[in-house]
Parts: sequence; C-alpha cells; structure tokens
Amino acid sequence: QVQLVESGGGVVQPGRSLRLSCAASGFSLSVSEIHWVRQSADKGMEWVTFLSYDGQTKDYAESVKGRFTISRDSFKNTVYLQISGLRAEDTGVYYCATLGDGDALDKWGRGTRVTVSS
Amino acid sequence: SYVLSQPPSVSVAPGETATITCGGDDIGSYDVHWYQQSPGQAPVLVLFSNAVRPSGIPERFSGSRSWNTATLTISSAEAGDEADYYCQVWDRHSDHRAFGGGTKLTVL
Repeated sequence: QVQLVESGGGVVQPGRSLRLSCAASGFSLSVSEIHWVRQSADKGMEWVTFLSYDGQTKDYAESVKGRFTISRDSFKNTVYLQISGLRAEDTGVYYCATLGDGDALDKWGRGTRVTVSS
Repeated sequence: SYVLSQPPSVSVAPGETATITCGGDDIGSYDVHWYQQSPGQAPVLVLFSNAVRPSGIPERFSGSRSWNTATLTISSAEAGDEADYYCQVWDRHSDHRAFGGGTKLTVL
C-alpha cells in the first residue's frame, strides 16, 4: 500500500527546535520529489519546501528560509524537516506530499500538528 | 508571490452543479491543480493540469480555465462532496508553489 506517514509534531516553546519525519511505504522516495506543505487557520495552505528525487536540489519558502532544513535517509525511506528557531507563526499541520503527473501533489500524508506556544 | 483568489464558500443543492472559481493574474497561462480536503483529512488531488482527473476521481469533477479564472465544476453534487477545495499553481516567477485560500463547499 502506497502511503506517507508524518510524525514528530507536538507542542514546542518559541525558539526551540523540532524534527518532523515523513516515512514512505509502498514506493521509494529516491525516485520521488517530496514537498512539505503546512496548513494553519490564519494563513491557509502554504508551501514550505521541496527535495528533488536525487536529493540534490531543494528550495524553501521565504518565510522559513534559514530556519528549516529538508533532508532524506534513503535507507529508512524517510524525509525529514528540521525546524529551528520556532515561531508562533509556524503553528499548523505539516503535510508531506509527492510530486506526480502534471507537477501536482498527488500523494499526501495525514499530517503532523506543530503548536508553538510558551 | 503569486496570489490566487477563491470565494470562501459556495453552496449547492444535491443533484445540482457546483462551480468553484480561482482567480489569478494571467492564470490562463498556468497549469492549475485542484485539491479536495474533508474535515480532519489530508488533501486529495481531484484535478491536475486544469482538467485531468486522477484515477478514481468521478467524471462529475471537471475543470476549465480562461485568461484570469480557473474553474472547478462538480456536477450532480452529492453530500460526500462537502469539503474544502483548494486551487494551486507553480509560480514560475518565484519557482514556488502557490495555493488559493480555499473554498468551503456546502451541499444542502
């Protein structure tokens, strides 16, 4: 069964760090471009970052550049999102998704919730 | 960044046709994708490249595009179509993905 499962979310104080995971099953992340998208009540759906299938290319939304880092462990078939310097505006549900036909995000995980609060 | 505008809500009677719009500057030159999100669930791709249905998406879902508006049309609306719908494009200027604010579809 093809699926993505996010984990690692939680309640974190401002300024702290967190690492989110996106584990794939039923297919290899090494042949997939992976994106992270977050969703919050005030900002809606927001694209965050992506990692190319070969792991060589990545990019970030301006709002997270310098604080978020995307990486991959091919042996674990897992993509990570390292978040540092958490801010209240980083609160939301974080989804990972694969890029499919037409450059649309065709497979999504169920998300992991991050709450930044003191 | 590229801005996509969607109406916050649309209502439709069961069996009727729902139309959800997505406005953007020169959107007619972009490939538009549409996602359906039910409460508490992950988004599901319902149309890609303006009008192509992924496997498993009913023919009732269709899409179109003009120079400044993309449209998702759901014919013979059912209670199970109640969800939030988001349009999305790849912004070629920023090389980033952009999402619309979402439209809540109510079938009543």
